Amino acid sequence: NAGVTQTPKFQVLKTGQSMTLQCAQDMNHNSMYWYRQDPGMGLRLIYYSASEGTTDKGEVPNGYNVSRLNKREFSLRLESAAPSQTSVYFCASSRTAAGELFFGEGSRLTVL
Amino acid sequence: GENVEQHPSTLSVQEGDSAVIKCTYSDSASNYFPWYKQELGKRPQLIIDIRSNVGEKKDQRIAVTLNKTAKHFSLHITETQPEDSAVYFCAATRETSGSRLTFGEGTQLTVNP
Repeated sequence: NAGVTQTPKFQVLKTGQSMTLQCAQDMNHNSMYWYRQDPGMGLRLIYYSASEGTTDKGEVPNGYNVSRLNKREFSLRLESAAPSQTSVYFCASSRTAAGELFFGEGSRLTVL
Repeated sequence: GENVEQHPSTLSVQEGDSAVIKCTYSDSASNYFPWYKQELGKRPQLIIDIRSNVGEKKDQRIAVTLNKTAKHFSLHITETQPEDSAVYFCAATRETSGSRLTFGEGTQLTVNP
């Protein structure tokens, strides 16, 4: 039982490059989330998917797109990376909106 | 939308002392309040949560209290140990379909041996 798995764990990009962060959960959870974590800023929600087939913007969606591919998988895409997107990204899932969040190990992204 | 403020941002205590972290929230309809612990370089993990139908919940050395009238809730850690050193996040949300957690900015707790 792997829980929430996200890839890659580390990535270095040049400004303007694109990339996709992948996330999969094996707990049959309905809701999935993408957060970014910057020093002193806590966890800020980028996008979330309350259930398969739906996605909604969070607090900081600009510069990102998401795809809920199926109930297990929720990907985050940076179309044209900017240095301001240097951060640690966490994927998470939960059975319900007001239930325990299970986080992936995080992906450290550096944009030069 | 919901806004959660968390204080203090840093807290240093001696081993064995108690630690208290406080959060206030803005949405009076919020009714689910979890606390997450994040050790250095690790993922956040739930340590305790409380729902609005109770005022206090305990789990060994940790407890959470909720004051719905004042719209604040607190995390209490007693008999602190060095392994309690971490960043703690509070959060709040409504228990409705499609809602999502709003996190506070975190408290760096350091327990000195």
